Amino acid sequence: DAGITQSPRHKVTETGTPVTLRCHQTENHRYMYWYRQDPGHGLRLIHYSYGVKDTDKGEVSDGYSVSRSKTEDFLLTLESATSSQTSVYFCAISEATLARRSTDTQYFGPGTRLTVL
Amino acid sequence: GENVEQHPSTLSVQEGDSAVIKCTYSDSASNYFPWYKQELGKGPQLIIDIRSNVGEKKDQRIAVTLNKTAKHFSLHITETQPEDSAVYFCAASIFSNQFYFGTGTSLTVIP
Repeated sequence: DAGITQSPRHKVTETGTPVTLRCHQTENHRYMYWYRQDPGHGLRLIHYSYGVKDTDKGEVSDGYSVSRSKTEDFLLTLESATSSQTSVYFCAISEATLARRSTDTQYFGPGTRLTVL
Repeated sequence: GENVEQHPSTLSVQEGDSAVIKCTYSDSASNYFPWYKQELGKGPQLIIDIRSNVGEKKDQRIAVTLNKTAKHFSLHITETQPEDSAVYFCAASIFSNQFYFGTGTSLTVIP
């Protein structure tokens, strides 16, 4: 999984509680991403980061926030979890070119299965 | 935004036969098309990709073709083996950090 770990791997929580998922990489890649995977929807981008403290929204960002204080760590927070956020969450990374743009290839972590009751 | 459709959603083939998965995209500005394989309980793994300036790319038993005019691209797996059984996803990218994924194809290779 290209030097990417996600924690926890499984989590069950209750509606209304805050949840933080962690992605850690050892590849020193500049770009990091959070996706969610749901049946019938494939993978959808939640947020991404193009550097320390630099983040932007993806396709399905409502209800999620992110933070990146170090190159190797990208955190995804659900401030108040809802049942619609039950999903499998994947982190991905990609390199940056000399022009500081993302290369196209994204490498994925093993995923976190989150259940919100 | 971009819309990627993937067919079929499930596919069963006999070992040794070929498998073909097709994707269409809506935005003609898309210029990068990766394919990922996902095994149960694991993250997606890149198996092959193609850029808009190339019509076909091969890597051993796997090939991808791209038709920019028709806005579709396909994954071809020849001489299928049981270990090819997995879910396959296509994706299209307009900008490098915005991937749009298809809904996946569950491939079963029957020994």
